[in-house]
Amino acid sequence: DGGITQSPKYLFRKEGQNVTLSCEQNLNHDAMYWYRQDPGQGLRLIYYSQIVNDFQKGDIAEGYSVSREKKESFPLTVTSAQKNPTAFYLCASMTRVYTEAFFGQGTRLTVV
Amino acid sequence: KNEVEQSPQNLTAQEGEFITINCSYSVGISALHWLQQHPGGGIVSLFMLSSGKKKHGRLIATINIQEKHSSLHITASHPRDSAVYICAGMDSNYQLIWGAGTKLIIKP
Repeated sequence: DGGITQSPKYLFRKEGQNVTLSCEQNLNHDAMYWYRQDPGQGLRLIYYSQIVNDFQKGDIAEGYSVSREKKESFPLTVTSAQKNPTAFYLCASMTRVYTEAFFGQGTRLTVV
Repeated sequence: KNEVEQSPQNLTAQEGEFITINCSYSVGISALHWLQQHPGGGIVSLFMLSSGKKKHGRLIATINIQEKHSSLHITASHPRDSAVYICAGMDSNYQLIWGAGTKLIIKP
């Protein structure tokens, strides 16, 4: 079955360490997105990519980095420069043809 | 003012009640998504609508494009329906504009 997979579901890291969140899709979607959710708040766009080897900053890109070397994969690195990394992170992919988005289950990152 | 507004923010109801969650938007969208987020955070996509009405089990979603409004209904609500329900509209730049979510608690 086609879908979008985020891993891991829960992640713990020590302060000052970089951490990479995985997002893989086998839907042949061109566009992929990363969002962040803080408790009691809506989701905010971190980065997005509409084609391989290209990506754009979203509203809250500072302290994050991404790569899009393959169509299927859009990993997000939370760097030590991100001041408040503890949050829920959601990956999505989209087909332009049907304007339908598909969502991963999310990764809850806790930095201690 | 948020471009996508959900109401109510919080909703507590008794098991068996009919539930309605509303989503209004002020921007042009091509489609609207409803998602469910359980405690612990996992996200489940419920519906994608561009017009009319969709039904899946006890869940019904409707959208009125002219009025820029969508509703999510739950019939015969059950405690396992307790979750945060989020709507998100897709704009003309293929970006999702998110509502803040409605926290639903169904008491047995």
